[in-house]
Amino acid sequence: DTAVSQTPKYLVTQMGNDKSIKCEQNLGHDTMYWYKQDSKKFLKIMFSYNNKELIINETVPNRFSPKSPDKAHLNLHINSLELGDSAVYFCASSHPGLGGYTFGSGTRLTVV
Amino acid sequence: GQQVMQIPQYQHVQEGEDFTTYCNSSTTLSNIQWYKQRPGGHPVFLIQLVKSGEVKKQKRLTFQFGEAKKNSSLHITATQTTDVGTYFCAANTGNQFYFGTGTSLTVIP
Repeated sequence: DTAVSQTPKYLVTQMGNDKSIKCEQNLGHDTMYWYKQDSKKFLKIMFSYNNKELIINETVPNRFSPKSPDKAHLNLHINSLELGDSAVYFCASSHPGLGGYTFGSGTRLTVV
Repeated sequence: GQQVMQIPQYQHVQEGEDFTTYCNSSTTLSNIQWYKQRPGGHPVFLIQLVKSGEVKKQKRLTFQFGEAKKNSSLHITATQTTDVGTYFCAANTGNQFYFGTGTSLTVIP
């Protein structure tokens, strides 16, 4: 009965590889997000997706692409991984009038 | 650039001492939220403040929203080891939503 679930929890991969992180929410929320949390704990918005409207943080490299097959899923695909991509990636969802964001448990990505 | 600053960045307290983190915005906010992230965990929503001067309490936690709706604070009375973690404010300007830089709290038993 997990509200926002993302997989995998840990991901170790080599530079140059392509990888995907999956996210699913069963809350019926309208909007989903991807956040990157660096080693200093700073939470940086990468994407938000609402009713097929994608809002992209302009600082995110185009190697990162969100894919939403339906309202309950927002996956993150990363091409040509770089060392600097190592971080914890959080999926989250929200709904107007229902308070704050609900976060997934995070995916710790390590690029070697 | 960064529009929401939190201070302090780190705080170490003895168990039983009080703790306060402050969140400051350069713009007037529609509302502000607070989250707690335990070590190794994910941010968990605590509360949302909407009204100017609003004060809300959750057990030992007291949340305030400034009169000008540009700043907020979270105060913990008599900290416990279970309070350890990073506390984030999240500011909603109406057009944008920003997480603060976070305050990492360590409680020494």
